[in-house]
Amino acid sequence: KNQVEQSPQSLIILEGKNCTLQCNYTVSPFSNLRWYKQDTGRGPVSLTIMTFSENTKSNGRYTATLDADTKQSSLHITASQLSDSASYICVVRSNNAGNMLTFGGGTRLMVKP
Amino acid sequence: DVKVTQSSRYLVKRTGEKVFLECVQDMDHENMFWYRQDPGLGLRLIYFSYDVKMKEKGDIPEGYSVSREKKERFSLILESASTNQTSMYLCASRPGQGAPGGYEQYFGPGTRLTVT
Repeated sequence: KNQVEQSPQSLIILEGKNCTLQCNYTVSPFSNLRWYKQDTGRGPVSLTIMTFSENTKSNGRYTATLDADTKQSSLHITASQLSDSASYICVVRSNNAGNMLTFGGGTRLMVKP
Repeated sequence: DVKVTQSSRYLVKRTGEKVFLECVQDMDHENMFWYRQDPGLGLRLIYFSYDVKMKEKGDIPEGYSVSREKKERFSLILESASTNQTSMYLCASRPGQGAPGGYEQYFGPGTRLTVT
């Protein structure tokens, strides 16, 4: 069964600090992995997308990594800001006929001043 | 910018009521999706549609139905709402295969439904 596990479930950090969120998946066959940011009361918005051949990709202060061998991804946030407080969801697309998505449970990040 | 809108941000309904959740997208996307999001469970796919009048069951279709009479509109229907359908409902759309933008799904703001 395709699964995406994220850790930690929740995280509290001080403004200006860095943090790393983890995503492990068992989706097969793999197509791509996307990190979404979901602000409270809003729909998810895509941060990065990574395909099989990509190891790292940055979007401003967000850097995603992918290890397709170990089926792990991470999202690193540098110099956190209060506006980074949100849920971060790891989503893996399967390269099957339906191109369906498997969603992780998300990591709830709170950045405190 | 892609815009996906949902008819209500918050909705409170009574057990047994028929509930309609509406979703509209303005980017001429072929594919549309309905998810529910519950704490600790992530997003779960209820139904999706590849084209007008076409619908496919997702992972948790029980208790729900959908309607897609026009390309831009995808409706989720709870025939007889129950308390276990209290949840956040998210609509999404994405382009068809081969279209610019790849397979990114664009989400609406969500409807928080409470069934009492």
